Amino acid sequence: AQTVTQSQPEMSVQEAETVTLSCTYDTSESDYYLFWYKQPPSRQMILVIRQEAYKQQNATENRFSVNFQKAAKSFSLKISDSQLGDAAMYFCAYRGRTGANSKLTFGKGITLSVRP
Amino acid sequence: SAVISQKPSRDICQRGTSLTIQCQVDSQVTMMFWYRQQPGQSLTLIATANQGSEATYESGFVIDKFPISRPNLTFSTLTVSNMSPEDSSIYLCSVEDPRTGLNTEAFFGQGTRLTVV
Repeated sequence: AQTVTQSQPEMSVQEAETVTLSCTYDTSESDYYLFWYKQPPSRQMILVIRQEAYKQQNATENRFSVNFQKAAKSFSLKISDSQLGDAAMYFCAYRGRTGANSKLTFGKGITLSVRP
Repeated sequence: SAVISQKPSRDICQRGTSLTIQCQVDSQVTMMFWYRQQPGQSLTLIATANQGSEATYESGFVIDKFPISRPNLTFSTLTVSNMSPEDSSIYLCSVEDPRTGLNTEAFFGQGTRLTVV
C-alpha cells in the first residue's frame, strides 16, 4: 500500500518570505496523482495544487508551486510571498490509478504559522 | 465545484449515545466519502458511500459502529454509535466526481467536531 510521509510537524515563516513544505511518498505505481490540501482553522479543506505523475513540468498556481521529483518520490510545496492567510495545516495526498490505490491517502500534515 | 453543507458543526455528547451527522451537496455526485480526523492527526477514510448500494468500509471500521445512509445523489448521513471518548474527532464528508478523472479534486464539508464526555 502507498504511504505519504510529512516529517515536519510544524513550520514558521515570516510574512512575505518563501517557505517549502516537504512530502515524500512510497508507491509501486508508475502513474498517479499528488495533491496539496490546506486546512485553515475553519476546518474547510481546500485544494491548493495538484500534480500528475506523468507530467514532468512542475505545477504552479499563483504563489504556490511544487517541486516534483519522481525518482526520489518527493513532492514539496513552495509558498512564495507568504501571507497571514496562508497559516493553516497543509496535507500532502496521493491517489493511484487502480482499485484501492485510487482512494486518497493523506500524510499527517504540517502546521504552518506566518509571522507578521 | 461542489458546495457541501455538513451538520452539526460541533457537538458534545455523552458516552453510550449516538450522533448522526448530515452531509448535503449542492449537486448530484456519485461518490461520497466519510473521514475521521483525530486531534492533530491526518484524515483516515472511514467508508465510501455510493447511492443505491451498501457503503464500503475501510479496515478497522464496521457498519455497526458507523452506519451510513445514502438515500440519493445529494445527501448522506454518518452515525457514530455507542460513543466513547475515543470517538472524539473531527468527522469530514467529502465528494468527488470520477467522471472528471482521477486527478479530480475532492471537496470537503467543514467538518463536525465531536467531543464525547
